[in-house]
This record gives sequence, structure tokens and C-alpha cells, in this order.
Amino acid sequence: AQSVAQPEDQVNVAEGNPLTVKCTYSVSGNPYLFWYVQYPNRGLQFLLKYITGDNLVKGSYGFEAEFNKSQTSFHLKKPSALVSDSALYFCAVRLSSGNTGKLIFGQGTTLQVKP
Amino acid sequence: GAVVSQHPSWVICKSGTSVKIECRSLDFQATTMFWYRQFPKQSLMLMATSNEGSKATYEQGVEKDKFLINHASLTLSTLTVTSAHPEDSSFYICSARRATDRSEGGYTFGSGTRLTVV
Repeated sequence: AQSVAQPEDQVNVAEGNPLTVKCTYSVSGNPYLFWYVQYPNRGLQFLLKYITGDNLVKGSYGFEAEFNKSQTSFHLKKPSALVSDSALYFCAVRLSSGNTGKLIFGQGTTLQVKP
Repeated sequence: GAVVSQHPSWVICKSGTSVKIECRSLDFQATTMFWYRQFPKQSLMLMATSNEGSKATYEQGVEKDKFLINHASLTLSTLTVTSAHPEDSSFYICSARRATDRSEGGYTFGSGTRLTVV
């Protein structure tokens, strides 16, 4: 079954420190991978995506993610965290079977950046 | 950029009544609309996929007679929760897939609707 997993419910970092939010996936074929951020009572905001090409993807607000095919991972990173980065982060994979374009989301990881 | 307007942002209704949630793509055509449900501090659960002009495809376990989805045009999709009960209280989010962005898998999410059934 195709799926995506975020092994950490919460990640705590100090402001100014680098952050990593982990994501692993299991799909057949070439994966389309996404990262989204959600603030309380809001919809999802797109951060970045990997379709093909360079394994290091740069996205919005200084975030980047590295696609690692051998480890089936797509971890989200930022060199220097801000308090305003505190939110709920979702990794998602687009199902490759058929052409419905459905996204399957990971469980979500709460990022807490402390001053 | 692409914007999906979802409203209402929050609604409180009495048990047994129906509630309609609308999602409009403001500056693009959405050939496919996805409807998600999200419980507190949990992930998004896909409820159904709708394509313009055709019946929605519901995920396993989702009652299609309870969650009516209409996608009558390329810019409007609605979710109606019929005969709502307290257990239907949740955060509902729509996501539009852009017709001109299929190869890139472009998705735009609405801001969500907080439904509380009392």
C-alpha cells in the first residue's frame, strides 16, 4: 500500500538553530512528494514539492527538502528556525496509480520553535 | 497565485439540520476537487474526490448520502453535511487541482471550515 509516514509527533528547536522534520514514503513508481504547513484553524499552505530533477528542493520561507530515493525519505529542513515557523507540518505523496491525483498525507508533525 | 475561497470559515448548527460548505476557485479552473476531514491534531482524511460534471468518488467508510458533494462547474464545489450529528463536528478542508497544472500536480487548499454540531 502506498503511504507516507512522519515518525515524530513533535519537534522542538530553539530559535536560530537548524530544524529537520522527517518524512518517509512508500509508493510504487516515481513519487510526487509535497510539504505543507498548517496554522491553527487554517487550510494548508504549500511549501515545496519534488517531482523530478535535483534531489534538493528549495521552497517557501527558507525551507528545503532533500529527496533520498535509497532511503525513501523526503525530510524538511531549514538552516535557522524562527518562532513564527511554529506550526503543524504535513508531508504528502501523490498516488501514482491512475490519474485521480489524490494526495495521501502523513500524520503531521508539530514544530515548536522556542525563543 | 491560485486561490480557493472556502466558506463559511466556521458554523454552528443544531443536530438534525444540514450544512453546506462551498469552495470556489477564484482565478483558475478546478477540474478536480478533493474534500478532507481533519480531527484535532490529526492528519487530513480524504473523504471524496469530485470531477466537474460527474458524481463524486467516495473513500471507503464515508457515507455518500450523508456527505453530499456537488461539483457543478469548474469553479465551484459544495459539500453538504445532511442531518448533522455531534460526531460530524470537525474541520473540513477542500483542495482544488488545477486543470492546467496536471503534470506538476498543483493543488490549492481552502482555508477550512470548522463545523460544530450541538
